[in-house]
Amino acid sequence: GESVGLHLPTLSVQEGDNSIINCAYSNSASDYFIWYKQESGKGPQFIIDIRSNMDKRQGQRVTVLLNKTVKHLSLQIAATQPGDSAVYFCAENAGGTSYGKLTFGQGTILTVHP
Amino acid sequence: GAVVSQHPSRVICKSGTSVKIECRSLDFQATTMFWYRQFPKQSLMLMATSNEGSKATYEQGVEKDKFLINHASLTLSTLTVTSAHPEDSSFYICSASSRDNQPQHFGDGTRLSIL
Repeated sequence: GESVGLHLPTLSVQEGDNSIINCAYSNSASDYFIWYKQESGKGPQFIIDIRSNMDKRQGQRVTVLLNKTVKHLSLQIAATQPGDSAVYFCAENAGGTSYGKLTFGQGTILTVHP
Repeated sequence: GAVVSQHPSRVICKSGTSVKIECRSLDFQATTMFWYRQFPKQSLMLMATSNEGSKATYEQGVEKDKFLINHASLTLSTLTVTSAHPEDSSFYICSASSRDNQPQHFGDGTRLSIL
């Protein structure tokens, strides 16, 4: 259920800096992971995904790293811009399919200062 | 452009009203759609899995008679919040994916406010 009074982790960076957002997952059977960006009042927007047979995947300005040993996922954003300010969620799926049930992490608020 | 469309984006209504929210996949067929609920400054909580042509699968603690789901076609799922009360006020979001290893895409959510 929901946690009352939960405060999301926050990360504040200057424009142009690199950002690293971390996520710990709990299900060792999870084999597909996605990072989403959610702006205020909108639904989550896909950023990048990775399967458990990989430990790194790169996109445009973003890199996802997966460490299955410690069940840790990170999202690196290069040259962060004010438009990157949002809440970032990791999500995991234990079925190996992109269309199966996702379990979301708690989220991190990223604020980019000009 | 958006691949999942959700309507309406905002609803304000009186307690006791039933509210229907639509989720459409715009350029692909979705045999499975998902409905989430999100409280302010919290994560998305899966409510149910909507299956085309069959009954929805609800997560533990979600009342199926309260949150009616209908997935009548491969591009449309609806969530009806029956006899809504103030505690049902929340942000409801749907997602869908085609079955070709594409990531799930989300609608822009429906802000439901029950007075």
